Amino acid sequence: QQPVQSPQAVILREGEDAVINCSSSKALYSVHWYRQKHGEAPVFLMILLKGGEQKGHEKISASFNEKKQQSSLYLTASQLSYSGTYFCGTDLTQGGSEKLVFGKGTKLTVNP
Amino acid sequence: DGGITQSPKYLFRKEGQNVTLSCEQNLNHDAMYWYRQDPGQGLRLIYYSQIVNDFQKGDIAEGYSVSREKKESFPLTVTSAQKNPTAFYLCASSVGQVYSNQPQHFGDGTRLSIL
Repeated sequence: QQPVQSPQAVILREGEDAVINCSSSKALYSVHWYRQKHGEAPVFLMILLKGGEQKGHEKISASFNEKKQQSSLYLTASQLSYSGTYFCGTDLTQGGSEKLVFGKGTKLTVNP
Repeated sequence: DGGITQSPKYLFRKEGQNVTLSCEQNLNHDAMYWYRQDPGQGLRLIYYSQIVNDFQKGDIAEGYSVSREKKESFPLTVTSAQKNPTAFYLCASSVGQVYSNQPQHFGDGTRLSIL
């Protein structure tokens, strides 16, 4: 039931764009996105709900495609501070559940 | 400032020894979680608690135990039954259950190694 994130890693130059996908084999009801810098705590970015609108956080936005059972995170005009590992956490239970299942993460490196 | 405090930052365990990782939060959150993180594996749920004196097993509970005697505290014990305890352990909390769609707030983690 673990969601699959792609790509596993991506390297960008400052100012470039990236897309990170989070795919599930089961229907998604909500998707949480977090960013973790090496050796630090994951930091919450946003939550996407089934039937909800596309969310945004600074120059980072995300979408929820119910039909494809997938959420995508869009990073535009990337900054050095965007470097880190991005995790999606999924809730697969209609009506919600008490826990999230996290993907293995996508490592993003932004170079000057 | 409100937040989650995990201690110690680094911990070493000897063979056959139980060790306890501390997690304290002053966010007045009801729900608390323990995750294990191994390189390239993401976050895997060990135990979670929605209310004082109640907790549930996550996906990898074997070899671990928890207690929730106070709302602000959720300590994790890594027992000698956990044969591969070396990992980064993260504690998190949220206002309520996931179906209230509240974000999880994480502590800075404890890195556990075997001597």
